[in-house]
Amino acid sequence: DAGITQSPRHKVTETGTPVTLRCHQTENHRYMYWYRQDPGHGLRLIHYSYGVKDTDKGEVSDGYSVSRSKTEDFLLTLESATSSQTSVYFCAISQTPGNTIYFGEGSWLTVV
Amino acid sequence: GQQVMQIPQYQHVQEGEDFTTYCNSSTTLSNIQWYKQRPGGHPVFLIQLVKSGEVKKQKRLTFQFGEAKKNSSLHITATQTTDVGTYFCAGGSQGNLIFGKGTKLSVKP
Repeated sequence: DAGITQSPRHKVTETGTPVTLRCHQTENHRYMYWYRQDPGHGLRLIHYSYGVKDTDKGEVSDGYSVSRSKTEDFLLTLESATSSQTSVYFCAISQTPGNTIYFGEGSWLTVV
Repeated sequence: GQQVMQIPQYQHVQEGEDFTTYCNSSTTLSNIQWYKQRPGGHPVFLIQLVKSGEVKKQKRLTFQFGEAKKNSSLHITATQTTDVGTYFCAGGSQGNLIFGKGTKLSVKP
């Protein structure tokens, strides 16, 4: 498996609280992604990064922000968590866009 | 926008039976990739196809890329319980990677 670490792996939080998920890679891949996975929806792209401080929105970016201050770290922040953001979040990396991506093990987030 | 449709959504088979999942894109793809996700796990890359009409095999798995580079299939011969999981295709086009919603395979021993 690619060197991708997500933290925390599991989290329960209350509605309205901020939450930050961290993705750390040791592969020096330029591109990093955050996906969420929900039953019936498959994998949906939230945000992605194509370099340090270079990020862009995916198809379901509302309610989420990201930051990338170092090549190896990509943070996903829910400014004010809602129950609809209960999901499994996967970080992924790739060397080039549109080609093979490697997923982290996932972060299970429950918003109550 | 660009879409990748995958069918069937679910497939239940008896161990030893064959299984096929199909992927269709609304646009021509530069490549197609396949991933497997075990229950409770994360998607894991299986293979990438790039050439029109390409066929690749991995043991009991056969992957095909259509001549028009708009469709693909994954065929598993003689399924085993270890094949259980969700299989995703992902189409690469113009720097984007679009995932199908996956086919969830269950295998009855």
